[in-house]
Amino acid sequence: GENVEQHPSTLSVQEGDSAVIKCTYSDSASNYFPWYKQELGKRPQLIIDIRSNVGEKKDQRIAVTLNKTAKHFSLHITETQPEDSAVYFCAAGGNTDKLIFGTGTRLQVFP
Amino acid sequence: DSGVTQTPKHLITATGQRVTLRCSPRSGDLSVYWYQQSLDQGLQFLIQYYNGEERAKGNILERFSAQQFPDLHSELNLSSLELGDSALYFCASSVGESNQPQHFGDGTRLSIL
Repeated sequence: GENVEQHPSTLSVQEGDSAVIKCTYSDSASNYFPWYKQELGKRPQLIIDIRSNVGEKKDQRIAVTLNKTAKHFSLHITETQPEDSAVYFCAAGGNTDKLIFGTGTRLQVFP
Repeated sequence: DSGVTQTPKHLITATGQRVTLRCSPRSGDLSVYWYQQSLDQGLQFLIQYYNGEERAKGNILERFSAQQFPDLHSELNLSSLELGDSALYFCASSVGESNQPQHFGDGTRLSIL
């Protein structure tokens, strides 16, 4: 069935370093890939999304890349700051009406 | 503020009881999605409604049901509650039927004693 795997489950980086989170999906019909950031006790917030007709998308310090052949996509955060510390979820959406979420990555940015 | 309103924010009840969670989508959004998030877990999709009709179902228990009303607000009903139902329940809304950005409400924290 549909599945999204996300790695790593935890990630610790020094402030100013880059962080990369990777996801793979199983449904080849998937064509929409959003990323959400969830701070402790708060709601998930959409930070960036990409569609299958695009290979890369950037928004300031955040970028997402998509490799449809390999069925994987990644989130890149550059120049990390302590306020980037949160749980990040990837998701994949296809021809059905639901998003399948990854299991989350807990990112800690140390000053 | 996402524009999605969920009430109540917190709910404490006992096993065997029944509760109703409410969600008002962002203005103009026709789709409503319900998710369950247990402690330190991911987001489990429960069910989606689009313009009043059920569109997609996830791993929703038979004890749970939902509906979307003509004014597009939605309610999630949880019955015969068990300790394991304690979780954060999020509602999200989007403009269309699928593959549109989903905006989440602040959630309802349900605690079963």
